[in-house]
Amino acid sequence: GAVVSQHPSWVICKSGTSVKIECRSLDFQATTMFWYRQFPKQSLMLMATSNEGSKATYEQGVEKDKFLINHASLTLSTLTVTSAHPEDSSFYICSARDLTGGGNQPQHFGDGTRLSIL
Amino acid sequence: GQNIDQPTEMTATEGAIVQINCTYQTSGFNGLFWYQQHAGEAPTFLSYNVLDGLEEKGRFSSFLSRSKGYSYLLLKELQMKDSASYLCAVKDSNYQLIWGAGTKLIIKP
Repeated sequence: GAVVSQHPSWVICKSGTSVKIECRSLDFQATTMFWYRQFPKQSLMLMATSNEGSKATYEQGVEKDKFLINHASLTLSTLTVTSAHPEDSSFYICSARDLTGGGNQPQHFGDGTRLSIL
Repeated sequence: GQNIDQPTEMTATEGAIVQINCTYQTSGFNGLFWYQQHAGEAPTFLSYNVLDGLEEKGRFSSFLSRSKGYSYLLLKELQMKDSASYLCAVKDSNYQLIWGAGTKLIIKP
């Protein structure tokens, strides 16, 4: 149980392109999903918390207009990197928490999306 | 400020035992998680501690002392596939997860 699917797993595109990443909870409902970015040999950096039916909460320093988050249903959140540039190249990972069973459930991660902007 | 400290890198021998420490200073405490992350992959959940003591799961055990702000992950009978980064994460008073930088564990034959 508690499977999170993330798609695509790998994207290579030209500078200026917008890239959409999907995160789905397959066997549970997630009112909250999390988007992380991880640069090589560094720890996870929380970018934003995605709340179903409301606006996402962004961490300090993360541009809301650059990283658009939509959480339209209890099983799907999307992250769109708008007008991507080479410095946006990174490993993007989503996670979700199954709240059935209490608030101490672990976050379950998608497989991540490796984004390379040329 | 909130802070989680872990060693950057550790090396151990196949078949041996290794202990990875984690100390934390956070605004409140609502549980501590350990995750394993292989290179290029997403983290996978290993263990959760909210009360003091030892939680055992097969070859992996995790210990927590809330009064000391301290946890460790103990890996026994090390296998080559255990080579990975191990992330300590604490849930603070707002139920936000605060992540450590991770400990890269290198297993040698």
